[in-house]
Order: sequence, then C-alpha cells, then structure tokens
Amino acid sequence: GAVVSQHPSRVICKSGTSVKIECRSLDFQATTMFWYRQFPKQSLMLMATSNEGSKATYEQGVEKDKFLINHASLTLSTLTVTSAHPEDSSFYICSADSGGDQETQYFGPGTRLLVL
Amino acid sequence: GNSVTQMEGPVTLSEEAFLTINCTYTATGYPSLFWYVQYPGEGLQLLLKATKADDKGSNKGFEATYRKETTSFHLEKGSVQVSDSAVYFCALRQSNFGNEKLTFGTGTRLTIIP
Repeated sequence: GAVVSQHPSRVICKSGTSVKIECRSLDFQATTMFWYRQFPKQSLMLMATSNEGSKATYEQGVEKDKFLINHASLTLSTLTVTSAHPEDSSFYICSADSGGDQETQYFGPGTRLLVL
Repeated sequence: GNSVTQMEGPVTLSEEAFLTINCTYTATGYPSLFWYVQYPGEGLQLLLKATKADDKGSNKGFEATYRKETTSFHLEKGSVQVSDSAVYFCALRQSNFGNEKLTFGTGTRLTIIP
C-alpha cells in the first residue's frame, strides 16, 4: 500500500518554543492531507484538512494561529505548533489521500510531542 | 452530524477465542465504513472497508458486513492470536471520495493472552 512518513517520530521541547512536524507521501501525490491529534487511550480528533496550494480548513475549536499548517507541495504538509505549552503534548497523526478514484486515506506513523 | 459508536474496551480474550467488536453509526445517505487498527506505538493502518450496503470487508481473518438496516459494521474474527492485540477503530466517511474527512469511534483496546 501507499506509504506516508512523519518526521520527527518523537520530539521533546521546552515550553514557549515552536515545533514543526512534517508529513510526506512517499510514493504518491496527496491532494489532501489531514492532521489529527490523539490523546492517551482516546480516539483521533481531526484538527484540520489541508489541500495543496490553499489554506487549511480547521475544525471547530482548533486555533489556526496555534497550529499552522502548510501544504506547499503534493507530497509534503507541515504542522507547526507555535509557542508550545505542556497541554499541547499529544500524539499527532497525519493522513494523506491521493484523490481521484482512490477511496482510502493512508496514515503516517505519528509524532509524539512532549512539551516540558 | 455523523457519529460512530463502538463498544468500549478494554477487551481481553484468550488465544483462539472468537472476537466481536460492535460498531454502529449515524449518518445520512450511504457512507463508506472502515475498520482501522493501531498497534502499540504506531499509526493507524486500514484493516478493512465496505462502501455499500451488504458489502463484506475482510482482511487477515477479520470480517465486517455493512448492515444498512441496523446501521452497523461489527468486526469479527473466528480465532484471535496474540499478534492481534491492538486498538481497533471503526470509522465512516460520508462519501466515496478519499478527500472527505473520516469520523472515528473512540477505539477498542484488544488484548489477547496466550
């Protein structure tokens, strides 16, 4: 199946710093990428939908200025957590869709963020 | 709006036991239905899917049938293995297009003991 990678897989940062997480589709072009957040032992919460070349669509309650999303190419989307705080500590997962007749989203392995 | 309800875990079974994880949904029209599996420390992997009523998705011994009349998509496996220990998520997507967002259930943690 299609492969989606995330980098880094794990990051620890100090409160107040910004962290960038990359999501790449390795063997297909992703017209749409999704960013999710997962708290321990809970389900995935969709944060935003990212379309290549346009602004991301954020879900209700997600701060646009806090979680910056850039989908600059068909194989790369980035999520930047700005001025991170301990409550931003979570597991961030991206998924990618190739569009067209494809029906399946492919998920990255996730990035665990710990803010001290 | 759309929603997915799945049985709460955790579920603990002995190896070779029969598994059922219930999933029901609320949506308009005919959504596509999915089961995803998340192994410890990893992201989600698609386990199986069904895109229309009465379709049966199957993979790795797991099966689920899209039941429009009961709005259900229960996951079953006849004989579980230790390697099946993971968290299982039921999900729906309103359309057949991959660029539509998925709505997930809360997940069911499954532990298989030897």
